[in-house]
Amino acid sequence: GENVEQHPSTLSVQEGDSAVIKCTYSDSASNYFPWYKQELGKRPQLIIDIRSNVGEKKDQRIAVTLNKTAKHFSLHITETQPEDSAVYFCAATSGSARQLTFGSGTQLTVLP
Amino acid sequence: SAVISQKPSRDICQRGTSLTIQCQVDSQVTMMFWYRQQPGQSLTLIATANQGSEATYESGFVIDKFPISRPNLTFSTLTVSNMSPEDSSIYLCSAEGSGGAEQYFGPGTRLTVT
Repeated sequence: GENVEQHPSTLSVQEGDSAVIKCTYSDSASNYFPWYKQELGKRPQLIIDIRSNVGEKKDQRIAVTLNKTAKHFSLHITETQPEDSAVYFCAATSGSARQLTFGSGTQLTVLP
Repeated sequence: SAVISQKPSRDICQRGTSLTIQCQVDSQVTMMFWYRQQPGQSLTLIATANQGSEATYESGFVIDKFPISRPNLTFSTLTVSNMSPEDSSIYLCSAEGSGGAEQYFGPGTRLTVT
């Protein structure tokens, strides 16, 4: 089955700096890669996703890049703000089954 | 995105008892899923709730422990049976969005077993 590894487990940045979180996956058939943000005590919230036929996708301060050859994808947050502080999870899914396999999560702290 | 609700939001149960968690979606969806999230951990898929057929369970999860119902395209239940303290966790349901790949999550049910 699919295995998703996520790094780093914790990340602290100064407000206004950029943050990058990286994930690798094992199943070359995986074709959909979402990122979720989870604030303490809240549900995971889908913030951006990318499909395997696209190399990069942007949404305001958030971008995701995908390297299919290397089987890794990354989340980039620019101009970070304190409200970006949360746990971020990457995930991967493949084919018709559509089950998500999650990474272990990254605790992002944006220091004011 | 689909609006998903869960009941109860939290419960404290005694070992050996069972708890049924309900998940309601505001629109018809083909795929619904149940996840477990232990404190400070990632999400682990328990099973896919299939409408009109038995749920599909992931490795390490069995129907006798986690029976699932899916009576229609907007509703599913997960029962945690014969509970032990190790079952203390957050249980989340999810449903696919209109794009067919993205998943949206319910608010979760925080279960404590004493």
